[in-house]
Amino acid sequence: SYVLTQPPSVSVAPGQTARITCGGNNIGSKSVHWYQQKPGQAPVLVVYDDSDRPSGIPERFSGSNSGNTATLTISRVEAGDEADYYCQVWDSSSDHQVFGTGTKVTVL
Amino acid sequence: QVQLQESGPGLVKPSQTLSLTCTVSGGSISSGGYYWSWIRQHPGKGLEWIGYIYYSGSTYYNPSLKSRVTISVDTSKNQFSLKLSSVTAADTAVYYCARGWGSTLSLAFDIWGQGTMVTVSS
Repeated sequence: SYVLTQPPSVSVAPGQTARITCGGNNIGSKSVHWYQQKPGQAPVLVVYDDSDRPSGIPERFSGSNSGNTATLTISRVEAGDEADYYCQVWDSSSDHQVFGTGTKVTVL
Repeated sequence: QVQLQESGPGLVKPSQTLSLTCTVSGGSISSGGYYWSWIRQHPGKGLEWIGYIYYSGSTYYNPSLKSRVTISVDTSKNQFSLKLSSVTAADTAVYYCARGWGSTLSLAFDIWGQGTMVTVSS
């Protein structure tokens, strides 16, 4: 089955840029979606189709996808961005939605 | 705006069937274009897709759970439901219902319920 690998944790100082990677075999050929999940809350879609943002999501959140790695970038990080982040794709070979392992973003 | 709300028992005995319902408000489940989904999260772990249903009744399930999962829809009540049979402690998790949309099956889950914790224990 298709596997999406994320770093367990990323630490970033306020005002700096956080980059969260999502690795998968030829992930660049797939559409990647990203979710933010704060403790005790349901996930929130922050980027869809590699780089589009739902309404209400700040422009500070952006995405890219190429080759074997997709990246969620959070610019000008704020304390409120501290959360777990998950990537997600559709594995067409098995008709299976796959989530990444998740990355905990800590704001120093 | 569309909102989702899960309901069902918070405690299920081993070997029994877990049953949850998701009520959709603020929009019609029959409007088309969306896949009504169940996703779970084991305590302290990541997200696991269980399956989804289109309003027409077409279903897609996670291969690892397919033999135990049934997702159904009741358009008259604007609800969809999850049944997971022969549960064990490994099925203890927070269960979310969510709305998936996309031009293909590369769905993004844009609206989620608050989640409901289900514990499997005797």
